[in-house]
Amino acid sequence: AQSVAQPEDQVNVAEGNPLTVKCTYSVSGNPYLFWYVQYPNRGLQFLLKYITGDNLVKGSYGFEAEFNKSQTSFHLKKPSALVSDSALYFCAVRDPAGNTGKLIFGQGTTLQVKP
Amino acid sequence: DAGITQSPRHKVTETGTPVTLRCHQTENHRYMYWYRQDPGHGLRLIHYSYGVKDTDKGEVSDGYSVSRSKTEDFLLTLESATSSQTSVYFCAISDPRQEPYEQYFGPGTRLTVT
Repeated sequence: AQSVAQPEDQVNVAEGNPLTVKCTYSVSGNPYLFWYVQYPNRGLQFLLKYITGDNLVKGSYGFEAEFNKSQTSFHLKKPSALVSDSALYFCAVRDPAGNTGKLIFGQGTTLQVKP
Repeated sequence: DAGITQSPRHKVTETGTPVTLRCHQTENHRYMYWYRQDPGHGLRLIHYSYGVKDTDKGEVSDGYSVSRSKTEDFLLTLESATSSQTSVYFCAISDPRQEPYEQYFGPGTRLTVT
C-alpha cells in the first residue's frame, strides 16, 4: 500500500541555521511528490513538487527538496531558516492508481524556528 | 487560497443533527476533494469528485456523503453528526490537464460536534 512517513513530529532550529524536514515514501512506480505548508488557522499552501528529472527541486520561499530514489526519501531543506518559516509541513505522494490525483499525506512535522 | 471558498468557516452542532459543508471554486478545475485533518493523522481523504455527478469514496468515507451538481460546488454532508466527526475539513481542487495535478486548498471549516 502507498504510504508517506514523516518521522519527526517537531523540528527545532535556530534562525539562520539550515533546516531539514524529513519524508520517506512507499509507492509503486515512479512517484509524484509534494510538500505543503500550513500556517495557523490557514489552509495548506503548495511549496514544491517532484515529477521527474533533477533530484534537487526548488520551490517557494527559498525551500528546496532532494529526491533520493534509493532511499525513497524526499527531504525538505532550506539553507537559512527564518522565524516566519515556523509552521506545519506536510509531505504527500500522489496515488499512482488511476488518474484521480489523489494524494496520500504524511502526519505532518511542526517546524519551530527560534530567534 | 486559489479561488476556493468554504462555508461555513466554523460550526458547532449537536450529535445526531445533519450538517452540510460547502466548497466553492472559481478556477473551473474538474477534480475536487474533501479531507479531514486530525492531530497525528495528517490529512485523510473523505470523498473526491472527478466531474459533475462523478464522485467516489476516499479512505474515511463512512458517515459522509457528497454531491456535485455543478463544476464549481462540492458539498459534504454528515447525515447524522457524531463526536468523532469533530475535525477541521478542507476542500481541495486540481486540474487534470496539468500534470501532476497538484492540489490547491481552501481555508478550512472547523466543525465541533457536541
